[in-house]
Amino acid sequence: EPEVTQTPSHQVTQMGQEVILRCVPISNHLYFYWYRQILGQKVEFLVSFYNNEISEKSEIFDDQFSVERPDGSNFTLKIRSTKLEDSAMYFCASSEAGGENTEAFFGQGTRLTVV
Amino acid sequence: DAKTTQPPSMDCAEGRAANLPCNHSTISGNEYVYWYRQIHSQGPQYIIHGLKNNETNEMASLIITEDRKSSTLILPHATLRDTAVYYCIVSHSSYKLIFGSGTRLLVRP
Repeated sequence: EPEVTQTPSHQVTQMGQEVILRCVPISNHLYFYWYRQILGQKVEFLVSFYNNEISEKSEIFDDQFSVERPDGSNFTLKIRSTKLEDSAMYFCASSEAGGENTEAFFGQGTRLTVV
Repeated sequence: DAKTTQPPSMDCAEGRAANLPCNHSTISGNEYVYWYRQIHSQGPQYIIHGLKNNETNEMASLIITEDRKSSTLILPHATLRDTAVYYCIVSHSSYKLIFGSGTRLLVRP
């Protein structure tokens, strides 16, 4: 069964360092998303991406964050200068379409720990 | 997107049906009811979604009331592996899902 894969599963980084989280969405999907979940809190939408552009982003997704689809299969989230409060699980998701009656499938997440 | 209300926790016995309720009284005509679950800190897992008709797949059934103001997710024969947090989300699409606190379901042996 097709699935969204994320690497690495766990990333430890020092405060102020740049980090790139990687995702391989399901192959025929056209819409890509990043969500995050701080420990003990709700899953929060960060950004949606379609046709090589950001479609929508939340208030969390500030200038420190960027997304890219560098090739035909990968989708990345970059945090330029990590802060302690960026420590969270980051989930990538993808969907075949962005319209009504579609479902998004999530990866297993990358646990980012900023020290 | 409409807001949903779910009980914070429920439990059921293994092998029995688990019925998880969700209220969404402000749902609009073109909003779907989505159900996801999250086991431990794993990624949310899609379960099922529907607009107004009842839906069934290999994982669960979704019963939506005629006025669409509430719904019930049914796991027909719960197993220990169904212990998870279940999220009911009302949205026009999966484009931007707003997760609430969900219902923590504990399946007892």
